[in-house]
Amino acid sequence: KNEVEQSPQNLTAQEGEFITINCSYSVGISALHWLQQHPGGGIVSLFMLSSGKKKHGRLIATINIQEKHSSLHITASHPRDSAVYICAVTPNYGGSQGNLIFGKGTKLSVKP
Amino acid sequence: DSGVTQTPKHLITATGQRVTLRCSPRSGDLSVYWYQQSLDQGLQFLIHYYNGEERAKGNILERFSAQQFPDLHSELNLSSLELGDSALYFCASSVGGRAVYEQYFGPGTRLTVT
Repeated sequence: KNEVEQSPQNLTAQEGEFITINCSYSVGISALHWLQQHPGGGIVSLFMLSSGKKKHGRLIATINIQEKHSSLHITASHPRDSAVYICAVTPNYGGSQGNLIFGKGTKLSVKP
Repeated sequence: DSGVTQTPKHLITATGQRVTLRCSPRSGDLSVYWYQQSLDQGLQFLIHYYNGEERAKGNILERFSAQQFPDLHSELNLSSLELGDSALYFCASSVGGRAVYEQYFGPGTRLTVT
């Protein structure tokens, strides 16, 4: 079983729709990260959070530490949001030095 | 632009060969992480260096090695290459240390082994 699970694997939306991507993890963590990978391959860090909620523009990330669950929301989706969204965690077990454990990603396609 | 640079962008080589991938972290960052992204395994942590010292190892094969130099750039050496080593290799940098910091990813090196 993967330590970080994402759902859905693939998501197609119409422009303007509200989108939610979910992430569950099974290890103790120091932080959870949401990353965006564009078709060209580059990876951009969207959020790093350890509690509560963060907002940046049309993106909102929430985390529930007790339930070991995080969600990434995109409001008023746009075709330029089409990308793979990856959930990753920084585990807090001994020997961890900040390295990330990744989910398999959610491929989002937003149609105009 | 994350401020992290990686060279080369693309590398095509044959099985059995040896290659070196290079990463320069953001100015001021002391930590460099190496990750491998393959179609079947997804993104996996390989190795972490902090200020020249190896700090943690992940799923790194014995054929692979890395180092971080005094100017903080890092190199990942892959030897006796196999077809299965074909992947995107990313480095990421952060301020570093034991606390958790945001990581900034380089553009990656796409390695194709034929």
